[in-house]
Amino acid sequence: TQLLKQSPQFLSIQEGENLTVYCNSSSVFSSLQWYRQEPGEGPVLLVTVVTGGEVKKLKRLTFQFGDARKDSSLHITAAQPGDTGLYLCAGANAGGTSYGKLTFGQGTILTVHP
Amino acid sequence: NAGVTQTPKFRILKIGQSMTLQCTQDMNHNYMYWYRQDPGMGLKLIYYSVGAGITDKGEVPNGYNVSRSTTEDFPLRLELAAPSQTSVYFCASSYVAGGRNEQFFGPGTRLTVL
Repeated sequence: TQLLKQSPQFLSIQEGENLTVYCNSSSVFSSLQWYRQEPGEGPVLLVTVVTGGEVKKLKRLTFQFGDARKDSSLHITAAQPGDTGLYLCAGANAGGTSYGKLTFGQGTILTVHP
Repeated sequence: NAGVTQTPKFRILKIGQSMTLQCTQDMNHNYMYWYRQDPGMGLKLIYYSVGAGITDKGEVPNGYNVSRSTTEDFPLRLELAAPSQTSVYFCASSYVAGGRNEQFFGPGTRLTVL
């Protein structure tokens, strides 16, 4: 069974601070997705990283895929109240019994106070 | 494109009642999924489908049934509702190819069983 450990589980910060969320596994993934979910809505895909060592930027959000494709991080610079939400990482596999399914982390609940 | 649509948005059931949660996608995706999300928790896979006529169990299939007669529709049936099935249910779809699995989620159905 593949597991994705996401940390921290909760993060409460002030507007303007920086933060990093981590997603770690002992398994290799062919790609990794990050989703953001706001209260009362479904998760929305933010980014997909595919290549080991890949870094992608989305405005103030920076996503990195580990060299061995077992871990990933999400860094937010100068957080804003609009960044508040549940952040989920999810790993995908190119083959085996997990093909076509995502392994989700437990999520990080981020609250950014004005 | 409407993406993934789910009905109803809210529902209250009595113990022992049955209902069907509807899900439709208009993106011609091959894979479709049903997840449940309990408060403060991540997503748990109930059932998924790799295409019309083909379904398979996920992590927590007990108490649920699915069918997929068309590419677009993937209804989830609850028979004999129990309080443990109180949750938010999300349908998702994805075009799975190689190592990528970027899922698009519906807005969710909030179900309470009393």
